[in-house]
Amino acid sequence: GNSVTQMEGPVTLSEEAFLTINCTYTATGYPSLFWYVQYPGEGLQLLLKATKADDKGSNKGFEATYRKETTSFHLEKGSVQVSDSAVYFCALSDVGSERRNKLVFGAGTILRVKS
Amino acid sequence: DGGITQSPKYLFRKEGQNVTLSCEQNLNHDAMYWYRQDPGQGLRLIYYSQIVNDFQKGDIAEGYSVSREKKESFPLTVTSAQKNPTAFYLCASTLAAEGGYGYTFGSGTRLTVV
Repeated sequence: GNSVTQMEGPVTLSEEAFLTINCTYTATGYPSLFWYVQYPGEGLQLLLKATKADDKGSNKGFEATYRKETTSFHLEKGSVQVSDSAVYFCALSDVGSERRNKLVFGAGTILRVKS
Repeated sequence: DGGITQSPKYLFRKEGQNVTLSCEQNLNHDAMYWYRQDPGQGLRLIYYSQIVNDFQKGDIAEGYSVSREKKESFPLTVTSAQKNPTAFYLCASTLAAEGGYGYTFGSGTRLTVV
């Protein structure tokens, strides 16, 4: 079945460091890909998305490119801030006749940014 | 502003008791979902509904029940058959036609068995 694998955390960085959180997926067809962010005690917020190969999603300085050849959707940010500390989830839309709008989530990666 | 409202934010359940978590959306979304999140883990799908008066089991439906009598509302009941209900519960919704829109999430309900 479809699945998403994220790098294990926690990831601990100093402020202004470069961030990469790896995400790879297994899917049939052409899923849409997403990154969500969860701050402590809150629900998930959509951070960015890409709906086809080679698309780049971007938001708030974060970027991710849909790489079909490597089945990856790695999240990057050039300079992290303390306020970026959160849990980040990679997800894909579960394609198929009845399951097109079901999201499959990775396990999440905790990011801690120190000042 | 449109969004999803979950209530209550914190809920305490006694052993053998049924409790109901509320989820209301005013986004005119067709599809709604319930997820369970345990500490340090990802999200697991409990139930989902793509249209009114219809819903399907997710990966961990045992011990839970839902209803979808109105488009805006998708309450989740945690029954006494759910042996380990302490968790963070998240409700989400999306336009049914296209998975590419992603989900909108509520702010969650934290359920604790006392």
